[in-house]
Amino acid sequence: DVQLVESGGGLVQPGGSLRLSCAASGFSFSSYWMSWVRQAPGKGLEWVANIKEDGSEKYYVDSVKGRFTISRDNAKKSLYLQMNSLRAEDTAVYYCARGSGMGVWGQGTTVTVSS
Amino acid sequence: DVVMTQSPLSLPVTLGQPASISCKSSQSLVSSDGNTYLNWFQQRPGQSPRRLIYKVSNRDSGVPDRFSGSGSGTDFTLKISRVEAEDVGVYYCMQGTHWPPWTFGQGTKVEIK
Repeated sequence: DVQLVESGGGLVQPGGSLRLSCAASGFSFSSYWMSWVRQAPGKGLEWVANIKEDGSEKYYVDSVKGRFTISRDNAKKSLYLQMNSLRAEDTAVYYCARGSGMGVWGQGTTVTVSS
Repeated sequence: DVVMTQSPLSLPVTLGQPASISCKSSQSLVSSDGNTYLNWFQQRPGQSPRRLIYKVSNRDSGVPDRFSGSGSGTDFTLKISRVEAEDVGVYYCMQGTHWPPWTFGQGTKVEIK
């Protein structure tokens, strides 16, 4: 079965850092763009970042540029999101999704930024 | 950035009756490759989003055929032919033609009357 499993969320103080991971299985990970999408409490979906199959292209929503870094390890079939200088408005459930078309989603990991 | 506008934002429906959600984009979603990258997602309460439709009208594997997508250019529609209880949730459209950013609509909440 195709599966994405996120981890690494938690409670962090403003200005702190977290690294999210997404473990992929059941498909050829290295053949797909990968995406991070977040959902603030009670709000809609917001695209955060995308990365090309080989990691050569990366794109970010303006609100996280310079603070978040998307990366991948194709050998480990894993996607990452390094989040620095976290703000209260980054509080959300973070999902990884397969492809820029987001055909498969993980269960999400919760990030709470609060003092 | 392309703005995606959904309507209505709330849609009470009667079981067994049809439902329709509109999604309008601020510019045409026809790509230079001739494709239109407009997807629809369903998010049931307490669950992760799930893609239902890709490239306007293509149903994902396992999606019931009561769901259909249509439209072109800037106007798109998701239709449910006969609403079932399991269809309750929030539905989002998303464009992937003019990126970055990839942009979602605000979401339409479908509930049973």
